[in-house]
Amino acid sequence: DTAVSQTPKYLVTQMGNDKSIKCEQNLGHDTMYWYKQDSKKFLKIMFSYNNKELIINETVPNRFSPKSPDKAHLNLHINSLELGDSAVYFCASSQDDGGVTDTQYFGPGTRLTVL
Amino acid sequence: AQKVTQAQTEISVVEKEDVTLDCVYETRDTTYYLFWYKQPPSGELVFLIRRNSFDEQNEISGRYSWNFQKSTSSFNFTITASQVVDSAVYFCALSYFGNEKLTFGTGTRLTIIP
Repeated sequence: DTAVSQTPKYLVTQMGNDKSIKCEQNLGHDTMYWYKQDSKKFLKIMFSYNNKELIINETVPNRFSPKSPDKAHLNLHINSLELGDSAVYFCASSQDDGGVTDTQYFGPGTRLTVL
Repeated sequence: AQKVTQAQTEISVVEKEDVTLDCVYETRDTTYYLFWYKQPPSGELVFLIRRNSFDEQNEISGRYSWNFQKSTSSFNFTITASQVVDSAVYFCALSYFGNEKLTFGTGTRLTIIP
């Protein structure tokens, strides 16, 4: 069973389009994240949600909107895609342990290419 | 501010050699957590180890070992008797109590030559 899953794995789209990436975890975790990995492999957090509530928002353009319908899902919607949005997007989840940073388990990643 | 430095951008070793990947971190927090992740060519991020700042014991897991030294703010990772399957990009990461955001280093690309 896949612990953290993302769909789609690859996404190729034109500049200006709107797209979504879905993430689901079956680990029973309370906290979910989105990270962006650029072409140089640099990984940076974008958002964190705890029990459907936004906890971290790392100065991401407001074209990016995370949505958490329940604590097992955290989707990422991107409006008006730009060339610079091309990257690999990773979803992750961890247990909420009262401030203690528990291990984050990552999904397989979604490679987004904006043409 | 937190920072993780992985000074080695790329390392190549011949199979069966031992190799150490360096990680140096900066944080003002007294309670913090250190991680290593592996990213093989297939692209996923695989968790390897988590350490909290109060546990300086070195850890060994099979061919992998980790050396945590608070005095030098380092958390180095050694692979003994390397294998081709160890070829990957390895990331060191840091977070602190009350903030689950992981700050990643820039990664070290390890190539094991058969």
